[in-house]
Amino acid sequence: GAVVSQHPSWVICKSGTSVKIECRSLDFQATTMFWYRQFPKQSLMLMATSNEGSKATYEQGVEKDKFLINHASLTLSTLTVTSAHPEDSSFYICSAPNPLADQETQYFGPGTRLLVL
Amino acid sequence: GDSVTQMEGPVTLSEEAFLTINCTYTATGYPSLFWYVQYPGEGLQLLLKATKADDKGSNKGFEATYRKETTSFHLEKGSVQVSDSAVYFCALSDSGANSKLTFGKGITLSVRP
Repeated sequence: GAVVSQHPSWVICKSGTSVKIECRSLDFQATTMFWYRQFPKQSLMLMATSNEGSKATYEQGVEKDKFLINHASLTLSTLTVTSAHPEDSSFYICSAPNPLADQETQYFGPGTRLLVL
Repeated sequence: GDSVTQMEGPVTLSEEAFLTINCTYTATGYPSLFWYVQYPGEGLQLLLKATKADDKGSNKGFEATYRKETTSFHLEKGSVQVSDSAVYFCALSDSGANSKLTFGKGITLSVRP
């Protein structure tokens, strides 16, 4: 099946620093990727849709200047949490549909746990 | 807007017990419905799906039927195994290909030997 990886799997940073999270589709090309955020014991909340070669589409209430998304190639999307604060601590997950397969099915990365001190 | 409601968890069962996890949804259109599963240390993966009313999705002994009249997509398995221990998410997609998913909160299932 299609594989999506994320890096790093976890990161601890100081308040005020920026953190970059990578999402890669390993065996397929993804023109669209999705970024989710998950709080403990809560649902995955969609943050934004990453579009290759164009600007990301952010969900209501998500600060686009805070969460910078770059989809520079067909296999890589990055999420940068700028000037991170403790309230940004969360589990960040990306997903992508495989355009060569069932496009309604999304393939998820294993997630990145961010802790901001 | 779209929403998905799952029963509260966690759920703990003995091996070979019958499993039902309830899921209901609210959507403006005609959504596709999904169950995703997350095993410990892994990413979410599709368990099964149904794209229209009365469709039954099935995989690995799990089944769920798309019930439009009750707006439900309950997950069932006749005999669970220890290896089924995971977090289960119900989700819907309202706009076809490449569209975003709306998830329920997820429920943790633990199966005892």
